[in-house]
Formats: sequence, C-alpha cells, structure tokens
Amino acid sequence: ELKVEQNPLFLSMQEGKNYTIYCNYSTTSDRLYWYRQDPGKSLESLFVLLSNGAVKQEGRLMASLDTKARLSTLHITAAVHDLSATYFCAVDIPTGNQFYFGTGTSLTVIP
Amino acid sequence: KAGVTQTPRYLIKTRGQQVTLSCSPISGHRSVSWYQQTPGQGLQFLFEYFSETQRNKGNFPGRFSGRQFSNSRSEMNVSTLELGDSALYLCASSFPDGSEQFFGPGTRLTVL
Repeated sequence: ELKVEQNPLFLSMQEGKNYTIYCNYSTTSDRLYWYRQDPGKSLESLFVLLSNGAVKQEGRLMASLDTKARLSTLHITAAVHDLSATYFCAVDIPTGNQFYFGTGTSLTVIP
Repeated sequence: KAGVTQTPRYLIKTRGQQVTLSCSPISGHRSVSWYQQTPGQGLQFLFEYFSETQRNKGNFPGRFSGRQFSNSRSEMNVSTLELGDSALYLCASSFPDGSEQFFGPGTRLTVL
C-alpha cells in the first residue's frame, strides 16, 4: 500500500520567517497535490504537480516535486497569520482518482 | 460554476442505525470519490465511482457502500453504525483521468 509521510506534523513559526514542509511517498507516482484545510472546513486545492521537476508558486507558497526522490516540498516565505491552517499532500495511484493523503502539517503563524 | 455539494452537513445517529450521505459533483465531472477523515486515522479513501461503476475501493468493511446515478450524483451508505464511524465524510469530484479533485464541504457524522 502506498504510504505518504509528511513532516513536521506541527509547525509553529513567527511571522516573517521561512520554512519548508516535506512530503515523502513510497511508490512511483508523478501526480502530487497540495491542499489546505481550515478548522471545521473542507479541503482547498493549492497546487497540482504533474511531472518531475514541477514547481508552482502562489503568493507566499511554493511547491515542488522530485519524482525520483519521491519527495515534494511546500515552502513558505515570509509567513503571515493568514497562512495558519493544516496542509496536506496527496499522491494519486497510477489508475487515477484514488488519493493517498499525508498525515497533515498543522501550521500556526505567531504574530 | 457551482462547487461540490454534500447533504446533509451534519448528522447524529445511534449505534446500529444506518445512514445515507449524498454528493452532487461539479457539472461535467463524472468521477466521484469518497473519503473519511478522523483525528486518529487522518484522511482515508473509501471508494470512487465513474459512470455508475465502482472503479476503486479502499480498505473499509462491507458496511460501507456507495452508488452513482446516471447524472453523476453519488450516495454512500453506512449500515450498522459503530462509534468509530464518527467522522467527517468528504466527497470529491473530478474528470475521470486522475486530474485534480475538488472537495465538497463534507458531512459531519456523529454516532452515539
């Protein structure tokens, strides 16, 4: 069974600082997704990474994918309070439409 | 364009009862997937339907079942509810080629 590991599980950071969340997965896949979840809410799509070396940026967040290392990163630049949420990575199996989610990283940005 | 809708949003049941949850996908999306989210197990895949057929199934007991209608709307059913079935049930829709999944607001099920 495909396993997806995220670290750290919990992240408390000060506003203005940078940090990276890591997502490792156990089997071959070239489709990786990042989602954000606010407390009591559903999942909001952040990034779709569909090939080795893919890099996408939106505001203070940048995601990348290395399929050879089976690793994706979500980099946070100059964090602000509004980024406080839980972030999940998800990997899709080759036959599609069956996501395996990481454990999630609960991010708290402290003013 | 309207997003994924799920009904009901909240549900309270007692052990041994059964429950049916409903999901309407984004217009044009023919694949619907269901996920269970709990604090202990995280987000787990239940099953996926496309063209009224179950294509993929996660590792859940047979008490969990689903179906899809010709208009792509989907329902999932849980029979003989257990306390451990308390969770947020999320539905996601997408095109059938394994592209991005869009999630609905979820149904929060509490089993007493």
